[in-house]
Amino acid sequence: DIQVTQSPSSLSASVGDRVTITCRASQSISTFLNWYQQKPGKAPRLLIYTLATSQSGVPPRFLQSGVPSRFNGSGSGTDFTLTISSLQPEDFATYYCQQSYTTPYSFGQGTKLEIK
Amino acid sequence: QITLKESGPTLVKPTQTLTLTCTLSGFSLSDAGVAVGWIRQPPGKALEWLALIYWDDDKRYSPSHKNRLTITKDTSKNRVVLTMTNMDPVDTATYYCAHSPTGRAFDIWGQGTMITVSS
Repeated sequence: DIQVTQSPSSLSASVGDRVTITCRASQSISTFLNWYQQKPGKAPRLLIYTLATSQSGVPPRFLQSGVPSRFNGSGSGTDFTLTISSLQPEDFATYYCQQSYTTPYSFGQGTKLEIK
Repeated sequence: QITLKESGPTLVKPTQTLTLTCTLSGFSLSDAGVAVGWIRQPPGKALEWLALIYWDDDKRYSPSHKNRLTITKDTSKNRVVLTMTNMDPVDTATYYCAHSPTGRAFDIWGQGTMITVSS
């Protein structure tokens, strides 16, 4: 089974800051790493996902509809990052990565982003 | 508009079997490529993937719970059912069902249902 290790577990930042969250997979997962945002008492919200295609090459990564462009996902193989370019007040939440390369799927342990 | 809603008991005794229903709206689990998954989250802890059922009735399970889990679909009633046997207090969590258009990422989630396991 593929394990996903997320870091840091918590992060303090200010509005306007640029922040980066990292996920590392225990084996190569191509680009099949999705990102979610969760606010207290709410279900997770999909931010960034990867689509499998019939074409050769690296599977493309997409921003979910309605997600601001300040969210960006990058990486391939085993190392991935979520970057928020300029934090807004509504971005303070917990973030999770999820590998979808193969079942059983797995989530990271979460990163709680708090206001400094 | 796609929506999902979980339903089931709020309290389960240890050793009992939990049956959760996910009622689907706005899509059909007979649509090619579509899947519905179950994910749970213990209080204050991370998300944990449990099971997935595809449009073609292919089923996948978490090996950590495989012997305890069964996922089924009733396309005519737009429902997905998850059963988990031999419940234990460590299974106390919010259980979510979620839509996946390709069987990989989960784009639409139910509101979740909190299940407490206690005698």
